[in-house]
Amino acid sequence: DAMVIQNPRYQVTQFGKPVTLSCSQTLNHNVMYWYQQKSSQAPKLLFHYYDKDFNNEADTPDNFQSRRPNTSFCFLDIRSPGLGDAAMYLCATSSLPGDVTYEQYFGPGTRLTVT
Amino acid sequence: AQSVTQPDIHITVSEGASLELRCNYSYGATPYLFWYVQSPGQGLQLLLKYFSGDTLVQGIKGFEAEFKRSQSSFNLRKPSVHWSDAAEYFCAVGGAGNMLTFGGGTRLMVKP
Repeated sequence: DAMVIQNPRYQVTQFGKPVTLSCSQTLNHNVMYWYQQKSSQAPKLLFHYYDKDFNNEADTPDNFQSRRPNTSFCFLDIRSPGLGDAAMYLCATSSLPGDVTYEQYFGPGTRLTVT
Repeated sequence: AQSVTQPDIHITVSEGASLELRCNYSYGATPYLFWYVQSPGQGLQLLLKYFSGDTLVQGIKGFEAEFKRSQSSFNLRKPSVHWSDAAEYFCAVGGAGNMLTFGGGTRLMVKP
């Protein structure tokens, strides 16, 4: 089945130690998104890629970076995690902008704990 | 700017009872509307979506939603709730460039 995969599902890192979260997709979608979701809150968009075109949300901290080496993979890098970065990180994909479905397909998420 | 409001943060219903979760949106053009469900520790699963046409939309797991333009609402309903429906429910509106704006979510608890 076509899907969005996130690894690892659970990640523990130390305060200030860089961490990378991974997302892959078999949907061949052009757009990939990263969301941060803190406990009992709605997902908050961090950034998205349209193909290789990177789009950062205005209020995304500089501590968060992303890479998309090819269509299938996208990585979220947190350069110096703080306690406030502990959250669920969701990856999603969608087909070309302008597609009237506007549907996003979500992965299962990676829960990040910062100690 | 688009926005979504889910007025109920928590709702508790008895198993077998009917359910309605409220969603109000603000969007300048014809909205694309979605309901997602999130079980604890999981990602978001799409329940249903509205783009155009029939204002009553059927989704998975026995859910339906009705788009009411005059009330700017897109309420989610289910005639008989099952214990497995306990989860967090998010309403979202889709805008330009496929960006989704989510409501704050409603946590559903189901009493036996």
